[in-house]
Amino acid sequence: DGGITQSPKYLFRKEGQNVTLSCEQNLNHDAMYWYRQDPGQGLRLIYYSQIVNDFQKGDIAEGYSVSREKKESFPLTVTSAQKNPTAFYLCASSMIMGGTEAFFGQGTRLTVV
Amino acid sequence: QQPVQSPQAVILREGEDAVINCSSSKALYSVHWYRQKHGEAPVFLMILLKGGEQKGHDKISASFNEKKQQSSLYLTASQLSYSGTYFCGTEEMGQGGSEKLVFGKGMKLTVNP
Repeated sequence: DGGITQSPKYLFRKEGQNVTLSCEQNLNHDAMYWYRQDPGQGLRLIYYSQIVNDFQKGDIAEGYSVSREKKESFPLTVTSAQKNPTAFYLCASSMIMGGTEAFFGQGTRLTVV
Repeated sequence: QQPVQSPQAVILREGEDAVINCSSSKALYSVHWYRQKHGEAPVFLMILLKGGEQKGHDKISASFNEKKQQSSLYLTASQLSYSGTYFCGTEEMGQGGSEKLVFGKGMKLTVNP
């Protein structure tokens, strides 16, 4: 079955440690996105990518990094520079934008203690 | 910049109607609508691609006023299953000419028996 998979579902880290969230899709989608969700803030765009080896910063990129070495994969690293990393992170993918729906993964809830 | 959604929250009794509004300060090329249950991934409802377009399925429909840079989602004869948070998303031109999908803060709908 085609879909988009995020792992793990729950993640706990100590403050000051970098952590990488996985996102894999087998939908043959070109575009991939990372969003952060906090209560009352909606979905805020962290990074997005439309082709392999190319990505752009979203609205809240500070303290995060990404890579897009393969079409299927778009991992997000939450670095120690991110001041408030505890949140629900959602990955999404779509055909190149232009009126096509985005498919979301089930999300990763990151808790930094 | 996130599109603005209103109202922020609504409580209905089963069978009542609701309208969710979405507006942007930027020109809108398309509007996406998604619904998210607590702790789950957002689920696609519909996309509107051009000004004046209206769509609908079951008792959920939407309109898109390109001139006013607004879209509205209409929920008719609400059911318990309609409960959740509704997000509108807009496609915008990002860095380097690539398109990005940005979302509003959401509208939390609670439907009671």
